[in-house]
Amino acid sequence: DIVMTQSPDSLAVSLGERATINCKSSQSVLYSADNNNYLAWYQQKPGQPPKLLIYWASTRESGVPDRFSGSGSGTDFTLTINSLQAEDVAVYYCQQYYIAPLTFGGGTKVEI
Amino acid sequence: QVQLVESGGGVVQPGRSLRLSCAASGFAFSKYAMHWVRQAPGKGLEWVAVISFDGNNKDYADSVKGRFTISRDNSKNTLYLQMSPLRVEDTAVFYCARQVPSGSWAPFDYWGPGILITVSS
Repeated sequence: DIVMTQSPDSLAVSLGERATINCKSSQSVLYSADNNNYLAWYQQKPGQPPKLLIYWASTRESGVPDRFSGSGSGTDFTLTINSLQAEDVAVYYCQQYYIAPLTFGGGTKVEI
Repeated sequence: QVQLVESGGGVVQPGRSLRLSCAASGFAFSKYAMHWVRQAPGKGLEWVAVISFDGNNKDYADSVKGRFTISRDNSKNTLYLQMSPLRVEDTAVFYCARQVPSGSWAPFDYWGPGILITVSS
């Protein structure tokens, strides 16, 4: 199974500042045939289901504010939240969909 | 609009059975692969099972293989998860989720609100 490791477990960021979350996979999730990284990021607020933010490592889902961006390739990925807003307080998960079993990182809690 | 609504949750004793349902609306259900994902209280997300758009292909997490069965009824726009025998460690909120259309694996673009399963004697 591909193990997804996120860091840090939690971070506190001031309003308007940048939050950076890292995700490392135990093996590459870059598929050479299509040159896509099979990596997604989700946001989960308390009492709510996860919400898809980013897929293919760097493609923003429709309607997601452009302060959210994803980067990285192979085994190392980053979710960046620029100019953090109060509504961004949540737990963020990375997920690989390269191969089953599909696996999630342990989550990163972002607080103000 | 796309809606997924789980039902069938509750409190059940270890060793017993339970069937979850996920009613889908607002999209062509029969064209999408569907997943179950669970989240134990205060914990992270764990993928549970997937079923192809036509029901012909299924896969499971090792933790539930042989105990859980995913199925679907495209005529009723409903996804199911039959769980038996249940264990205390199956206690979780279960979500159904729609997979983005793709010829291979893809992320989940819509999720239900979730349903709580508590396995306890």
